[in-house]
Formats: sequence, structure tokens, C-alpha cells
Amino acid sequence: DVKVTQSSRYLVKRTGEKVFLECVQDMDHENMFWYRQDPGLGLRLIYFSYDVKMKEKGDIPEGYSVSREKKERFSLILESASTNQTSMYLCASSPHTGSGYGYTFGSGTRLTVV
Amino acid sequence: GQQLNQSPQSMFIQEGEDVSMNCTSSSIFNTWLWYKQDPGEGPVLLIALYKAGELTSNGRLTAQFGITRKDSFLNISASIPSDVGIYFCAGQPPGYNFNKFYFGSGTKLNVKP
Repeated sequence: DVKVTQSSRYLVKRTGEKVFLECVQDMDHENMFWYRQDPGLGLRLIYFSYDVKMKEKGDIPEGYSVSREKKERFSLILESASTNQTSMYLCASSPHTGSGYGYTFGSGTRLTVV
Repeated sequence: GQQLNQSPQSMFIQEGEDVSMNCTSSSIFNTWLWYKQDPGEGPVLLIALYKAGELTSNGRLTAQFGITRKDSFLNISASIPSDVGIYFCAGQPPGYNFNKFYFGSGTKLNVKP
């Protein structure tokens, strides 16, 4: 059963902490994405990566960085967590090219910053 | 990024009723997708549309790729309580190399038994 696995379902962190959200996919997909989901705002793209060590900013990259050292793993890093980063974070992956393959999503990590 | 306008934002319906929602864009797309997100889970792909005018069904769900390529519609017939969730549309613009999609803000569906 192919899947995208996010390491934590729930996280509680303190303001100013460095936070790592991990995502692993077993489908040999080239593309990986990090979104945050907030009520009424839908899915907003933070960063994406189309190859190992490659990354592109999405629509809301401020306050975040990413790391992709291996094809199957894409990490989202909050350098200094703030309360406005409390949100649901979704990781997704897709093949590199070809219209319509869509994304496979993980189950999400609900992060609370206190 | 690209703006997709999805409506309605939320719906409260009675079990057995039919449901319609839509997604519009100011620019054309080559592919439209519809996802459903169950509470506490990630979105799951329901239907993919690849051609203008295409009509595709998945059980009680039917989706259409608008003729103008700037909109898409999702209908659910005879709703049941497990249809509850958030439905997202997603579109892929032409000329994009990295299989990147833009998402609507979602339609939250509530079904009363």
C-alpha cells in the first residue's frame, strides 16, 4: 500500500523552539510538497522540491525552511516557532511529470505552538 | 500563486439530498482534480478530469471539466453521513513542468442524518 508518512500526528512546542516536521514517501516520487491548512484559507503551499537537494519557495515560505537530502524524505523546519505557526501541516508527493497524477497526501501533523 | 474560487464555503444538508459545488479560476487549466478530506486526515483523490467538457463519475460522485477550462463542478447524489468532510478542487495550469497544482479553499459539507 503506497503511502506518505508524517512522523507525528500531534505536536506541542514552545515559542522560540526549533521544530522539525518529517515526511517520508515510498512511491519513488520526484516531487514533494509542504502545505499548511487553516480554517477558511484552504491549503497554502509553503515549499516544494522537485529533486534531491532542490527546493522552491511556495506562497508562504516566511519563517520556514526545508531539507531534502534523500529522495524519499522531505523535512519542514520552523527555525524559531511562533504562535501564528499553529496549524495543520500536510505533506504530499507526486511524480515529476505527467498531467493529472495529482498528489498523495500524508495524514497531517497538527502543530500547536504555545 | 493562482487563485481558485471554490463555493460554497460550507453546506448543511439533510441525508438523501443532492449536493453541488464548483470551482472557478481566472486562467485556464489543463487538469482538474477533486479531493475529499475526512476529519483529522489528509485529502484523498476522488476524481481526475483531463479534457474540457469531460464528465466523470465515481459512484455517487460526478465531476465535470468546464468547457471554458476555467471551471469545474462536483455533484454528490443521495448524500449519506459518511460524505461529511472538506472537498477541495485543484487545477494544473498549462506549461508547468513539475506536476504542480493549485488548490481551492475547500467546501465543508455537513450531512444531518
